[in-house]
Amino acid sequence: QQPVQSPQAVILREGEDAVINCSSSKALYSVHWYRQKHGEAPVFLMILLKGGEQKGHEKISASFNEKKQQSSLYLTASQLSYSGTYFCGTENYGGSQGNLIFGKGTKLSVKP
Amino acid sequence: DGGITQSPKYLFRKEGQNVTLSCEQNLNHDAMYWYRQDPGQGLRLIYYSQIVNDFQKGDIAEGYSVSREKKESFPLTVTSAQKNPTAFYLCASSHGSGPSSNEQFFGPGTRLTVL
Repeated sequence: QQPVQSPQAVILREGEDAVINCSSSKALYSVHWYRQKHGEAPVFLMILLKGGEQKGHEKISASFNEKKQQSSLYLTASQLSYSGTYFCGTENYGGSQGNLIFGKGTKLSVKP
Repeated sequence: DGGITQSPKYLFRKEGQNVTLSCEQNLNHDAMYWYRQDPGQGLRLIYYSQIVNDFQKGDIAEGYSVSREKKESFPLTVTSAQKNPTAFYLCASSHGSGPSSNEQFFGPGTRLTVL
């Protein structure tokens, strides 16, 4: 089952914060986050494994709530370079290891 | 430089023709993947391979075929049986097949247009 991402799109001013959510109907082993600029390949941001870990990468961090089967990506003090489409990829228990099911994406636009 | 290459970047074909998309990696990764991306649909898995000479169908394998004769190469053939082949195709690779090591690295993609 494809994870559900929300919101579908968000527009920010530089310096504002945003949260992108990713929810699954199946038990999750891990959640991966990627960012894709228009016409380019997705770029890896981070992996979260079961256990409620919160990982960070500069001003981008994420949490993983295994019980709620969801993950959230936090972007603080957004920069113009954060613009793009963010995808979560989920790895389910019982699925083939290493295979991800991607959500439809959240388009983030950061304006000056 | 290590990475994944896909060629060509843009490809135009007539309806009814088979076409093969190239994917090569020099990262020494065991696993390779093919995804299809349509506007607003995210990435959907076509085929994946965890070792040489072995591959598995993904969610939307119908109308596609692959081979994995070498570790570094995973070409995708879009056959005439694929009803709606126009899309952006992405190849990816990762270390092994275990969940703790499967950060996926993506190639630049091939945009296929069938006329």
